[in-house]
Amino acid sequence: DVKVTQSSRYLVKRTGEKVFLECVQDMDHENMFWYRQDPGLGLRLIYFSYDVKMKEKGDIPEGYSVSREKKERFSLILESASTNQTSMYLCATRRTGSMQPQHFGDGTRLSIL
Amino acid sequence: TQLLEQSPQFLSIQEGENLTVYCNSSSVFSSLQWYRQEPGEGPVLLVTVVTGGEVKKLKRLTFQFGDARKDSSLHITAAQPGDTGLYLCAGRDSNYQLIWGAGTKLIIKP
Repeated sequence: DVKVTQSSRYLVKRTGEKVFLECVQDMDHENMFWYRQDPGLGLRLIYFSYDVKMKEKGDIPEGYSVSREKKERFSLILESASTNQTSMYLCATRRTGSMQPQHFGDGTRLSIL
Repeated sequence: TQLLEQSPQFLSIQEGENLTVYCNSSSVFSSLQWYRQEPGEGPVLLVTVVTGGEVKKLKRLTFQFGDARKDSSLHITAAQPGDTGLYLCAGRDSNYQLIWGAGTKLIIKP
């Protein structure tokens, strides 16, 4: 069975802190994604990666960076957290192929105070 | 910017009723996926539709892809409390990017 594990379910940080969100998958999928989900706005793509050490900006990359040093791990970094980054963050993976579904983790609810 | 509009945004009905939710766009998609997200979990794929006019059934759920591949609908027959969740549609555009709708929050009351 597919397993996407996000390191924290809930996280509370302070403005200006550097925040790391980790995502690990056990399916050997090439593609990994980071989204944020806000009420009424749906899922917005922050960054994605189609291979180790490769990254592409999504629709809202400002204020974020990512790291993919190993195939199974994709990290999202908030360089200097701000209150408008309070959100639900979802990691997803997908095998290469246009018909392949995305498999999601259970999300990290991040609050920036 | 391509948009996928879902309607209604919110729907609360009694167990046993039928309902339809919609996913509309002015853009053409090569395929469209429907996901359901339950509280505290990530979205889970329900179905992928590819061909214009295609209809797929998953027990009491019927999914249809519009003839022009710009819209889709999800019909639930005799809704159950277990159908409660956020229903998301996502279309794959010509650049192979996945465009997400904002979702329909469905509550089925026993």
